[in-house]
Amino acid sequence: SAVISQKPSRDICQRGTSLTIQCQVDSQVTMMFWYRQQPGQSLTLIATANQGSEATYESGFVIDKFPISRPNLTFSTLTVSNMSPEDSSIYLCSVEAWDRFATNSYGYTFGSGTRLTVV
Amino acid sequence: AQKVTQAQTEISVVEKEDVTLDCVYETRDTTYYLFWYKQPPSGELVFLIRRNSFDEQNEISGRYSWNFQKSTSSFNFTITASQVVDSAVYFCALSEAGNTDKLIFGTGTRLQVFP
Repeated sequence: SAVISQKPSRDICQRGTSLTIQCQVDSQVTMMFWYRQQPGQSLTLIATANQGSEATYESGFVIDKFPISRPNLTFSTLTVSNMSPEDSSIYLCSVEAWDRFATNSYGYTFGSGTRLTVV
Repeated sequence: AQKVTQAQTEISVVEKEDVTLDCVYETRDTTYYLFWYKQPPSGELVFLIRRNSFDEQNEISGRYSWNFQKSTSSFNFTITASQVVDSAVYFCALSEAGNTDKLIFGTGTRLQVFP
């Protein structure tokens, strides 16, 4: 199954600044997903990123605030722009994991998360 | 519309007790997938199981078992002989085949197992 390296693992940022989170997958994947988990809450999908096209954003999330890049099939970045304390959350990327023959799905694998605190 | 409900916010048990975490889902799709994830205090999400809508067989994996009942739209998770290491937040999630495969998560159940 896929292994995701996500960084940074945590950061403390000043309000008004931006942070870019990176996810590197050890295999090629069609779609990558970005989630937000606010303190004590469940996970909410921010956007779905396909290589070679604009990301698809969920209701309540906009490209200006959360720009996403997907330059190839193994890498994606999410930027949290013009941060405010309300953006303090854990951000996670995710991909669907398949067996080597791409016939059986193992479900969705998640990166280890980026714990963001905005002060 | 799709929705996942985990009515139990927090459960506390003593080690070696059995515990069942409830999950009820809503979907209009006939093809969908259900998942359980564990999130220990360290924060990472650990995949536990994926079940498709056409497979209603119950599944057992060690101390874990899952009961999928389409008639009640439920996918409950039982831990037998719980251990302190089982303490975590457990999320049930749904993805619909016709909805770009994104995951819809429940609100999670925090399980605390005391020695």
